[in-house]
Amino acid sequence: EVQLQESGPSLVKPSQTLSLTCSVTGDSITSGYWNWIRKFPGNKLEYMGYISYSGSTYYNPSLKSRISITRDTSKNQYYLQLNSVTTEDTATYYCAREHSHWGQGTSVTVSS
Amino acid sequence: QIVLTQSPAIMSASPGEKVTITCSASSSVSYMHWFQQKPGTSPKLWIYSTSNLASGVPARFSGSGSGTSYSLTISRMEAEDAATYYCQQRSSYPPTFGAGTKLELK
Repeated sequence: EVQLQESGPSLVKPSQTLSLTCSVTGDSITSGYWNWIRKFPGNKLEYMGYISYSGSTYYNPSLKSRISITRDTSKNQYYLQLNSVTTEDTATYYCAREHSHWGQGTSVTVSS
Repeated sequence: QIVLTQSPAIMSASPGEKVTITCSASSSVSYMHWFQQKPGTSPKLWIYSTSNLASGVPARFSGSGSGTSYSLTISRMEAEDAATYYCQQRSSYPPTFGAGTKLELK
């Protein structure tokens, strides 16, 4: 069965770049759609974007100027970069295959 | 983007009680999906495409609706059903989620 695991720093300073990795086992990222979703402290869920089997991407317009999703097929990993973070980007970040398989999530706090 | 409004925000139910959670969309959507989340865990896809139960979901759960009005129903509440439930639409991008319904055991 497909398994996803997020990793990255738990603390990021304001104005810096948030960078996360999603490591995938049990499936190839060259098939399907691979998403990033985040959950804010107030429990609101926000869809951030995806990278597809072909490498095409979609970003939530609310983030479009700050977000980048890339991949390394040789490592079967995909990545999230979010630029110019503020305290409002404090959240738990999830990677998910389609919407049926999710990682356990990684908590990121933006604070100086 | 499509806004999903869930109600109630919080509710409690006794074992054996029927539970209904509703999700209203700001525009018509083709399908609604539902997730269950318990503290410390990631959301689990619970009901997909309005009425299909995900693998392992008990048959006491059901989903229905169309257009702008959808619901998740538990025929008889059990302790393990206490969780937060979120509706989600993917008919129009970006996908959006409801604010969640926290279901507690009375």
